[in-house]
Amino acid sequence: EVQLVQSGAEMKKPGESLRISCEASGYSFNTYWIAWVRQTPGKGLECLGLIYPGDSDARYSPSFLGQVTIAADKSVSTAYLQLDNVGASDSGVYYCARRAMRPGYNALDIWGQGTLVSVSS
Amino acid sequence: DIQMTQSPSTLSASVGDRVTITCRASQSVNSWLAWYQQKPGHAPKLLIYKASNLEVGVPSRFSGYRSGTEFNLTISSLQPDDFATYYCQQYNSYSPEWTFGQGTKVEF
Repeated sequence: EVQLVQSGAEMKKPGESLRISCEASGYSFNTYWIAWVRQTPGKGLECLGLIYPGDSDARYSPSFLGQVTIAADKSVSTAYLQLDNVGASDSGVYYCARRAMRPGYNALDIWGQGTLVSVSS
Repeated sequence: DIQMTQSPSTLSASVGDRVTITCRASQSVNSWLAWYQQKPGHAPKLLIYKASNLEVGVPSRFSGYRSGTEFNLTISSLQPDDFATYYCQQYNSYSPEWTFGQGTKVEF
């Protein structure tokens, strides 16, 4: 079964950093882009960035440049999202998702179960 | 940024109804538009890609249509399992500057 399994819920204080993992199974991890998408009460669904695990080519949404780092470890088929200097507006659910592989641009066909992030002093 | 405007935000319907949700892009995204279904406490699920292509395993009562920068998701005969929130997403690039609509909740 193709699946993405994310790490557990996080509670952070403002200014701290968080790191979420996303372990892939059931397919060739190296050959599909993995995106990170968050869902917040304030802004709904937003894409933070994505990575190609085969060569760790990472692309970031301009809105999150400087705050987000995305990495991948092929040896354990796991992608990571690091978010620095978090604030209350970063509270929400964070998802990893696989980008499909069809000709042209692609939607997100497999999603992780989500990781709840709460930021509060 | 390309803005995606969904309507309506809430839709009241009954089992068996034909329902249509609309998503309008602020500029051309060609046919690079997806529809997702999300139930409370769960991740979004891909239903339609490239405006009108049904994802594998999705029931044929779901369909998508494009006319210029306006996109429709239609459920031909609403089933109890279809009560959920639906999102459109444009993915008209290789970079992650994709944008989602604000969602349409389909309820009784």
